[in-house]
Amino acid sequence: GQQLNQSPQSMFIQEGEDVSMNCTSSSIFNTWLWYKQDPGEGPVLLIALYKAGELTSNGRLTAQFGITRKDSFLNISASIPSDVGIYFCAGRSGGSNYKLTFGKGTLLTVNP
Amino acid sequence: EAGVTQSPTHLIKTRGQQATLRCSPISGHTSVYWYQQALGLGLQFLLWYDEGEERNRGNFPPRFSGRQFPNYSSELNVNALELEDSALYLCASSLGGEIETQYFGPGTRLLVL
Repeated sequence: GQQLNQSPQSMFIQEGEDVSMNCTSSSIFNTWLWYKQDPGEGPVLLIALYKAGELTSNGRLTAQFGITRKDSFLNISASIPSDVGIYFCAGRSGGSNYKLTFGKGTLLTVNP
Repeated sequence: EAGVTQSPTHLIKTRGQQATLRCSPISGHTSVYWYQQALGLGLQFLLWYDEGEERNRGNFPPRFSGRQFPNYSSELNVNALELEDSALYLCASSLGGEIETQYFGPGTRLLVL
């Protein structure tokens, strides 16, 4: 089945630093999504990407849909303490396969 | 507007018992998705219901089942509980099949002893 490798597993950074994380897939996806999960809550969608090569921003967050369609990147600039949480990538293949495959998550800790 | 709600928030069962988890979608959403989030494993897709029908199923054994009611709320049933079923079970809802814009509930944490 499809597998997503998300890295790094965890990051511990200082407030103000930039953060990068990525996901790679064993197969092609038509949609890439990035979520953030706070403790005790469900994931919240941050950015959705629908086209290879697409670069999309949401405030300090920027994500890219890799041109091979097998990878995606999320960058967070000038991190702040409320960026703490688990970040997940998810991919969806085409057709009628209404199912998302999720990465295992990147745990981000920001030291004030 | 109320978000996706799930009940109970926590559930403790013993091995071999059955667990029933409930989900109420956002008003107007017809699709409900269930996920299992076990420690260190990310989210694993379980089931998708839309308009009362099961539309897709993840790689889980048949003892994981569910249903969607006419008001679009949903139940997830797990029979013959095993220790490894301990996890956070997340429900999400969306307009029909628009999985990319699903909204998640806070989850039910199931502990199997």
